[in-house]
Amino acid sequence: DQQVKQNSPSLSVQEGRISILNCDYTNSMFDYFLWYKKYPAEGPTFLISISSIKDKNEDGRFTVFLNKSAKHLSLHIVPSQPGDSAVYFCAADYSGGGADGLTFGKGTHLIIQP
Amino acid sequence: GAVVSQHPSWVICKSGTSVKIECRSLDFQATTMFWYRQFPKQSLMLMATSNEGSKATYEQGVEKDKFLINHASLTLSTLTVTSAHPEDSSFYICSASVAAIQETQYFGPGTRLLVL
Repeated sequence: DQQVKQNSPSLSVQEGRISILNCDYTNSMFDYFLWYKKYPAEGPTFLISISSIKDKNEDGRFTVFLNKSAKHLSLHIVPSQPGDSAVYFCAADYSGGGADGLTFGKGTHLIIQP
Repeated sequence: GAVVSQHPSWVICKSGTSVKIECRSLDFQATTMFWYRQFPKQSLMLMATSNEGSKATYEQGVEKDKFLINHASLTLSTLTVTSAHPEDSSFYICSASVAAIQETQYFGPGTRLLVL
């Protein structure tokens, strides 16, 4: 059973426009969410995170929105740049359980077109 | 800051041999390190969680006798794939968490293992 879902395997966005990547989760125990960016044959790079006590967190061009009632979060990238082309993973964690591994979605391949 | 390295980045070995992968936190002490595995076009799957000085906790379905994890210090964890077989070929990634910010993990660059 997939607890973190990224239903769009790929997304193509024109340079300069907004990229919106979506993520849904099913486990209501998750209370901390992260987005990672990954290039082929490299480890994921942490982008931004959000705690369940918030509904929005912004860092430069990246904003994450969390809708707890819908168990949905999204990552907005504005404006999109060519270097943003990568696979983006949504990950979730339950902080109350101590240090444990993240649960990842399958990723969305973002392609920024010039 | 928060740099994690892995060595080797690439390894090709014969079936039946053992392979050791090192994961190091370079500029911080990691109380907990994690090992993930990624198959092509699939998500990262957590294999095990290791705390310094104690036995690793393995996820369901991961053979602890096949994937030996040693977390000898606060900056080093090793994963040994014993008696590797072609189905063990994969991309192995470690991550480390900072004690004060445990939910945020910093990932190594990964190790690609090919078993012939």
